[in-house]
Amino acid sequence: SAVISQKPSRDICQRGTSLTIQCQVDSQVTMMFWYRQQPGQSLTLIATANQGSEATYESGFVIDKFPISRPNLTFSTLTVSNMSPEDSSIYLCSVEGGQPRGYGYTFGSGTRLTVV
Amino acid sequence: AQRVTQPEKLLSVFKGAPVELKCNYSYSGSPELFWYVQYSRQRLQLLLRHISRESIKGFTADLNKGETSFHLKKPFAQEEDSAMYYCALDRGSTLGRLYFGRGTQLTVWP
Repeated sequence: SAVISQKPSRDICQRGTSLTIQCQVDSQVTMMFWYRQQPGQSLTLIATANQGSEATYESGFVIDKFPISRPNLTFSTLTVSNMSPEDSSIYLCSVEGGQPRGYGYTFGSGTRLTVV
Repeated sequence: AQRVTQPEKLLSVFKGAPVELKCNYSYSGSPELFWYVQYSRQRLQLLLRHISRESIKGFTADLNKGETSFHLKKPFAQEEDSAMYYCALDRGSTLGRLYFGRGTQLTVWP
């Protein structure tokens, strides 16, 4: 399965600032996914990032708040913009583990964000 | 709408005892179900997928469509099984769109 490198692993940021999280995969993948895990909560999909097209956002998430880049088939970034304490979460990227469907998904190690 | 329910937030057993982590889902179609595990200070990783009907680290999970359940079982728990376990559902039509349960923290006491 794919190996994902995600950075930074953690950060403490001031409210009103932005943080860009990077996700690097060791193989080419069609789609990359960004999840959020708020404290004590489960994982929620933010958006799906396709190379060469706009990201597809889930209900409750907007591009202005979480802009995503996907410049090639092995890399993606998620930016958390104009941060507030409510954005304190773990952010994870994910890719499909392989074929056929149902193989499962591989996750990055996550970025633990604290907004103060 | 689809939903994954893990009723137990915390579960504790003694080493050697059987363990069952419950997962129920609601979805009108034919989902694909997974169990993910996160050990302390490690990343989330796939444990089981129902499509392969495999046993990993002694764990098994059977998809029961009648009861809409996908419980995770192990006959003899080990201390190294202590971790957070997440049940997840893929609708099968939207690639990558996993719906996760809230997770069950399993602690296996010596």
